[in-house]
Amino acid sequence: GAVVSQHPSWVICKSGTSVKIECRSLDFQATTMFWYRQFPKQSLMLMATSNEGSKATYEQGVEKDKFLINHASLTLSTLTVTSAHPEDSSFYICSAPSGSLYNEQFFGPGTRLTVL
Amino acid sequence: SQQGEEDPQALSIQEGENATMNCSYKTSINNLQWYRQNSGRGLVHLILIRSNEREKHSGRLRVTLDTSKKSSSLLITASRAADTASYFCATMDSSYKLIFGSGTRLLVRP
Repeated sequence: GAVVSQHPSWVICKSGTSVKIECRSLDFQATTMFWYRQFPKQSLMLMATSNEGSKATYEQGVEKDKFLINHASLTLSTLTVTSAHPEDSSFYICSAPSGSLYNEQFFGPGTRLTVL
Repeated sequence: SQQGEEDPQALSIQEGENATMNCSYKTSINNLQWYRQNSGRGLVHLILIRSNEREKHSGRLRVTLDTSKKSSSLLITASRAADTASYFCATMDSSYKLIFGSGTRLLVRP
């Protein structure tokens, strides 16, 4: 099956700093990727759709200036949490659809962000 | 946004018993998928059922879909301790976005 990687797997940063998370499709091309956020013991909340070569589409309530998304190539999308605060601490997961009907999505292992 | 509720929120059963989880959703869908997540880890895709299907099986998993009631159920038969995890349903619409339910935390006691 298709593989999606994320880097880093965890990060701890000070309040006010920016953190970049990478999502890569390792053995397939992904013109679209999705970013999710998951708080402890809660479900995944879709944050945005990352589109290669164009602007990301954000879900309602997600600040686009806070969560910068760049889909620079067919295998890489990055999420930058700008001026991170403790309330941004969460588990961030990306996914990429694959398969002929685009029905199957492959998830990265997630990045745990802790903002002190 | 979240698609809907899963029921129950938590389920504790004895090894060997069956586990049933229910999922409700709100909008029209292309398909509905079930995922499993071990604590603090990524998601594992379990099974996909299309909107024109009513039931699907995969090993010890059985999924039903009732589009008139906008609901689905996941049955895990002959549960094992290794099945302990959180289970999420997720609906996919025509834009390929997956919207997740609230999840069920399953504990299988050895």
